[in-house]
Amino acid sequence: GESVGLHLPTLSVQEGDNSIINCAYSNSASDYFIWYKQESGKGPQFIIDIRSNMDKRQGQRVTVLLNKTVKHLSLQIAATQPGDSAVYFCAENIGSGGSNYKLTFGKGTLLTVNP
Amino acid sequence: DARVTQTPRDKVTEMGQEVTMRCQPILGHNTVFWYRQTMMQGLELLAYFRNRAPLDDSGMPKDRFSAEMPDATLATLKIQPSEPRDSAVYFCASGLSGKSSGYTFGSGTRLTVV
Repeated sequence: GESVGLHLPTLSVQEGDNSIINCAYSNSASDYFIWYKQESGKGPQFIIDIRSNMDKRQGQRVTVLLNKTVKHLSLQIAATQPGDSAVYFCAENIGSGGSNYKLTFGKGTLLTVNP
Repeated sequence: DARVTQTPRDKVTEMGQEVTMRCQPILGHNTVFWYRQTMMQGLELLAYFRNRAPLDDSGMPKDRFSAEMPDATLATLKIQPSEPRDSAVYFCASGLSGKSSGYTFGSGTRLTVV
């Protein structure tokens, strides 16, 4: 989940297991959400997005679930691989929607995949 | 793959010096963001532009930071004078308004102010 203060939440999984990374977002008016992956020394990389009129979206090995009632977002990674090791951020669009995407990022979760 | 290009990759400077960071957005993208990343604060939005016009720079300390887009292929972030607390990784991201496919980030400029 999201961190408070200095500590980055961590998740350690075995290769081949499924991973679930959680995020609590802040604004009930947010209408668009993105998950990003950031590897060491690199910029955040888009993984998958979801609009607030959906509660689930699937990509390749990844699924995002959105629960607007409790303002919760999760990222599921199937058959986790060592290359999935990274920091994962959720980002929410806090704005009027439409084309004005101004993203606010959470603190991130460190995923470590053990071979 | 199209990329957002940021220069320099690393910058070490002395307190009080001017620092300019540059970003070349992906050709055709009309929205450009500047973010700062630190361990303490995570990713903070500093400013963003749409069609080269500044839409929001409320996240930026106005007294020392300035952001501009001289043309559609160049965005700059300038700090003058720099301070040790400005040490961070600065990311530029670009995207296309109305396209809900996220934004593409550059590799960042790691700034160290000593």
